[in-house]
Amino acid sequence: NAGVTQTPKFQVLKTGQSMTLQCAQDMNHNSMYWYRQDPGMGLRLIYYSASEGTTDKGEVPNGYNVSRLNKREFSLRLESAAPSQTSVYFCASYAGNTGELFFGEGSRLTVL
Amino acid sequence: AQSVAQPEDQVNVAEGNPLTVKCTYSVSGNPYLFWYVQYPNRGLQFLLKYITGDNLVKGSYGFEAEFNKSQTSFHLKKPSALVSDSALYFCAVSLPGNTPLVFGKGTRLSVIA
Repeated sequence: NAGVTQTPKFQVLKTGQSMTLQCAQDMNHNSMYWYRQDPGMGLRLIYYSASEGTTDKGEVPNGYNVSRLNKREFSLRLESAAPSQTSVYFCASYAGNTGELFFGEGSRLTVL
Repeated sequence: AQSVAQPEDQVNVAEGNPLTVKCTYSVSGNPYLFWYVQYPNRGLQFLLKYITGDNLVKGSYGFEAEFNKSQTSFHLKKPSALVSDSALYFCAVSLPGNTPLVFGKGTRLSVIA
């Protein structure tokens, strides 16, 4: 049982480059989330998708776009990366019946 | 809007002693409350939750937490700390109806042998 799978685990970008973080879950959950984790800031919600075909902004959406490709997959795109986007990114899926979030292992992104 | 405060960035405790990691919250309505733990270079793992019912909830690895509505607190406790409990702990709150979890900034627990 893979749970939530994120790729890539590590990435280094130059300012202005673009990239997409991929996330897939195999638990048949409706809701999926993208958070970023920065030292001293905890986890901050970037975007979420309450169901297939819907997406909503979280606390820090600027500079990001998302796509809920199907029920399993929820991708996060940086169109023009900036050093301020250096962070660890976590995808999570939400078990509505228990209220529990299941997290991926994280993607560590460095923007030079 | 929901918010969570974890007033301590770091908690140090000796192995075998009881530990407490503090959390207070602010919501309009009845909260769902959670504790998650993060080990180095890993994602967050669920520890326990309060949805409704008994104010004392028990979770994984011997942890428990007490929901106190009057003090808007949900402190994490363990009677006897282990070195392996050393990790980053996050408190989180949400509201009924599939609202996103809002996390605190985290408390780093260090258990010293």
